[in-house]
Amino acid sequence: ETGVTQSPTHLIKTRGQQVTLRCSSQSGHNTVSWYQQALGQGPQFIFQYYREEENGRGNFPPRFSGLQFPNYSSELNVNALELDDSALYLCASSLPNRGSGANVLTFGAGSRLTVL
Amino acid sequence: SQQGEEDPQALSIQEGENATMNCSYKTSINNLQWYRQNSGRGLVHLILIRSNEREKHSGRLRVTLDTSKKSSSLLITASRAADTASYFCATDAYNTDKLIFGTGTRLQVFP
Repeated sequence: ETGVTQSPTHLIKTRGQQVTLRCSSQSGHNTVSWYQQALGQGPQFIFQYYREEENGRGNFPPRFSGLQFPNYSSELNVNALELDDSALYLCASSLPNRGSGANVLTFGAGSRLTVL
Repeated sequence: SQQGEEDPQALSIQEGENATMNCSYKTSINNLQWYRQNSGRGLVHLILIRSNEREKHSGRLRVTLDTSKKSSSLLITASRAADTASYFCATDAYNTDKLIFGTGTRLQVFP
């Protein structure tokens, strides 16, 4: 059983550029959530994908967008990068939470983005 | 925005001592979970407690939940240097799939 893998692990961009981060979910998991974690803060929910559709979104502008593919892997795209977008971006996969079931997340190691 | 806050923000103890960290949250929940994060890496799930449970144990971990006060505590007994990490509580609000994390407690255990 493979865990969640993210790429790239580190990257540096300049303001105004665009970035794509990739995530392969854990085997058997069909739900992917993305989080942004600024230095010294807790992870902030960006959005979740289930069956290739967005299934909930946090308080992030439209320049944060995503995709989920038929194999459940996912991408996070950020356009028009700003300095404040510098953070650790975490992908997590899970089984769907239906009813009162628990949404236990399996996280990847993250992609650290620095915007200069 | 964060759903909750952990307290204290940072905690330093000696090996063998117990570490207690608290979490407060804002809305009604289905479940509360605790996660651990080493040095800015991915988070690892530690334990889950459901809203109808008051206490749960897993190895050296003990979690309590008080839904009337919207608070939880995580106790790590007989701490080890390897327990050094940041600890986060996370809640899934009723009827949502979204897991919202708190601000975290940074635990340092000295050998």
